[in-house]
Amino acid sequence: DTAVSQTPKYLVTQMGNDKSIKCEQNLGHDTMYWYKQDSKKFLKIMFSYNNKELIINETVPNRFSPKSPDKAHLNLHINSLELGDSAVYFCASSQEWPTEAFFGQGTRLTVV
Amino acid sequence: ELKVEQNPLFLSMQEGKNYTIYCNYSTTSDRLYWYRQDPGKSLESLFVLLSNGAVKQEGRLMASLDTKARLSTLHITAAVHDLSATYFCAVDKTYDMRFGAGTRLTVKP
Repeated sequence: DTAVSQTPKYLVTQMGNDKSIKCEQNLGHDTMYWYKQDSKKFLKIMFSYNNKELIINETVPNRFSPKSPDKAHLNLHINSLELGDSAVYFCASSQEWPTEAFFGQGTRLTVV
Repeated sequence: ELKVEQNPLFLSMQEGKNYTIYCNYSTTSDRLYWYRQDPGKSLESLFVLLSNGAVKQEGRLMASLDTKARLSTLHITAAVHDLSATYFCAVDKTYDMRFGAGTRLTVKP
């Protein structure tokens, strides 16, 4: 039933590890996003994809690599995790017109 | 680059009072959104504003859009405790949706 689902919800890992966050939407939307929300609640766009094509890549370290195997999925892989990567990561999807974006429940990543 | 500025960032209100949150953006845009986020939760869409002069209301919240001034407002009428949350505006320019910094609203009895 969930429109945009992310897994896992919580992720605790050590510095230097590699981890992935998965996102799936069942809304039939063409556009998907990854956002990072820091401790001050600021939401920063990281990537956007439209029909599996990368549109926005917003000065994100190349340790972060999104992958969109199909329109319904947008996964985020992070290599060599650093303390500063600790944040909540949100996946979202939208249709071109005229609806808002729908957000997943977020993945709280803690790097120790 | 599309930039979105929101103010105030923090707002403490008494129940029953009125207040307005402001959202300015830097370039022409197709759409403006207001979202609500409760602590530890995801973002929930409140309003979608698509054209100049658009006004939408839901309960004690009313949002408006002035595309010429590149300004949207979220007006709170007779605040109640349940409205305590963080409110974000966002502006969308074709696959590029940018958020304001958020307004953390606390409504006190």
